[in-house]
Amino acid sequence: SQQGEEDPQALSIQEGENATMNCSYKTSINNLQWYRQNSGRGLVHLILIRSNEREKHSGRLRVTLDTSKKSSSLLITASRAADTASYFCATDSGSARQLTFGSGTQLTVLP
Amino acid sequence: EPEVTQTPSHQVTQMGQEVILRCVPISNHLYFYWYRQILGQKVEFLVSFYNNEISEKSEIFDDQFSVERPDGSNFTLKIRSTKLEDSAMYFCASIQARNTGELFFGEGSRLTVL
Repeated sequence: SQQGEEDPQALSIQEGENATMNCSYKTSINNLQWYRQNSGRGLVHLILIRSNEREKHSGRLRVTLDTSKKSSSLLITASRAADTASYFCATDSGSARQLTFGSGTQLTVLP
Repeated sequence: EPEVTQTPSHQVTQMGQEVILRCVPISNHLYFYWYRQILGQKVEFLVSFYNNEISEKSEIFDDQFSVERPDGSNFTLKIRSTKLEDSAMYFCASIQARNTGELFFGEGSRLTVL
């Protein structure tokens, strides 16, 4: 798989449920970030986890990082219809801080 | 809240024409980036820019592309002779310093090449 691959590609859940998205990558990283993109809009930064961190929380978001498995997960708890969007992981491994994005998970939260 | 702004939001052009996409990064940011996203595909890194020069570029960023910071506020991406496959959303991003991590993205410029 390529750097920064998410699964599932699409996820549909009911409002109030939790949503978990996974990301795998191949090379060593400085940090891993999660972004959100509403259809046709720009990318919004959600959370960053550094390579020496294992878990991070921000509001309803929980991110884990396992560098031994080169994988990360994003958990959105108590989902809302407004959480409907595409979610991308992005790895930062270069000296110029360019990001390598995954192909994204399309999350649909049904009201 | 400061934001990265991009113009135009949508541009339609004929194949072979030159296109300039403009970005105004956040004012105290020092590193600038262009990314593109072909419809339904991944967001791809094009180029990074610091201290008035390119610091990194991807294979996509060939001789048809150029970037410039002409006046200390704008950051432009020029495509000299557009091809059909250049149709995509182009995102500008900026970051204050290398160790702050989070990139701030603009809303994007949609380029359609006919």
